[in-house]
Amino acid sequence: NAGVTQTPKFQVLKTGQSMTLQCAQDMNHEYMSWYRQDPGMGLRLIHYSVGAGITDQGEVPNGYNVSRSTTEDFPLRLLSAAPSQTSVYFCASSYKRRSNTGELFFGEGSRLTVL
Amino acid sequence: GQSLEQPSEVTAVEGAIVQINCTYQTSGFYGLSWYQQHDGGAPTFLSYNGLDGLEETGRFSSFLSRSDSYGYLLLQELQMKDSASYFCAVRDKGNTPLVFGKGTRLSVIA
Repeated sequence: NAGVTQTPKFQVLKTGQSMTLQCAQDMNHEYMSWYRQDPGMGLRLIHYSVGAGITDQGEVPNGYNVSRSTTEDFPLRLLSAAPSQTSVYFCASSYKRRSNTGELFFGEGSRLTVL
Repeated sequence: GQSLEQPSEVTAVEGAIVQINCTYQTSGFYGLSWYQQHDGGAPTFLSYNGLDGLEETGRFSSFLSRSDSYGYLLLQELQMKDSASYFCAVRDKGNTPLVFGKGTRLSVIA
């Protein structure tokens, strides 16, 4: 069971370039989300999805797009990379049911540097 | 919106007990969770409190007081491998995203 898989693990971009961070899960989780982690800032929510075809914005959505065409995949697109988007990005998933204990399953992270 | 406060750093001695506090402000409340993250790694789930009281999982326990908007993570018999960052997280209602605190970096020293 692979869990949550993120690619790439490392990426260097130049300002203005675009790219997509991939996230896939094989646990049939309805809920998927993207967080970014910066030193001293904890984990901040970028976008999330409660099921295929449904996405919503989190705390820091500007400069990022998402889509959820299947239950398994939730890619994060950087439209025009900026140095402020240098960060570690984590994808996470969980079951959506109301009895959810709050347990998120995280991918290993994608470390992005924008020059 | 939601906000969470937890100490930024804590240092404790191997074999001792340490408590990491978390206070929160939310419009609603649907449970307090704790996550552990080692340097360079991904956050991993430790515990969840939906109701007041203590939840115990091995050397780790977590406590919640909803009336005080307060919880803590208690780590007993500290080991060097417990050196990591610990995050509390809340959701204000079911099926909404988790909001994380900024994390507490725990250093366990010999």
